[in-house]
Amino acid sequence: NAGVTQTPKFRVLKTGQSMTLLCAQDMNHEYMYWYRQDPGMGLRLIHYSVGEGTTAKGEVPDGYNVSRLKKQNFLLGLESAAPSQTSVYFCASRKLTGATNYGYTFGSGTRLTVV
Amino acid sequence: ELKVEQNPLFLSMQEGKNYTIYCNYSTTSDRLYWYRQDPGKSLESLFVLLSNGAVKQEGRLMASLDTKARLSTLHITAAVHDLSATYFCAVVLNSGGSNYKLTFGKGTLLTVNP
Repeated sequence: NAGVTQTPKFRVLKTGQSMTLLCAQDMNHEYMYWYRQDPGMGLRLIHYSVGEGTTAKGEVPDGYNVSRLKKQNFLLGLESAAPSQTSVYFCASRKLTGATNYGYTFGSGTRLTVV
Repeated sequence: ELKVEQNPLFLSMQEGKNYTIYCNYSTTSDRLYWYRQDPGKSLESLFVLLSNGAVKQEGRLMASLDTKARLSTLHITAAVHDLSATYFCAVVLNSGGSNYKLTFGKGTLLTVNP
């Protein structure tokens, strides 16, 4: 019962490089979210998805793209990394209905440094 | 736009003392979450508050929700060092709709000193 798995856990990028962060969940959850966490800022929503094949922008979407080709996976892409994207990225998922506590499950995070 | 404000942002307290963290939010919502985060770790769910007047307790922590005042509190009773962490409240926008997006406060860094 893995829950939400994020890969990689750590990454250092050079400015201008690209990369993809993978979020995988095995709970058959419909909703998936990408957040970034910066010191003193809480967690801010980047993009989210309400189902396979659908994505939408959150609060801070600029510089990121996402895809949800399979229900269990939600990918976050950085096409041309910038130092301002240095952050800790968290993925979360939630079931559409029927959850007894309406809970969100968070991954363990990806610590990204852009130099 | 939903705004969630926590205060205080930093809290240093002595073991054995009581204190309250406040979470205010700007628009109607009837679902509020409290999370705990230890340094370098993910978020741990503490409480989900689903209705006006809801109160939940776990150990030395008690959370309450007043939807009319758009206010939730997290009360710490007789603090111990193990409670040192960052605490976040988060509110669901459009809880009756299809998005279920969580909006977070900036967090309260709690340090409990011997």
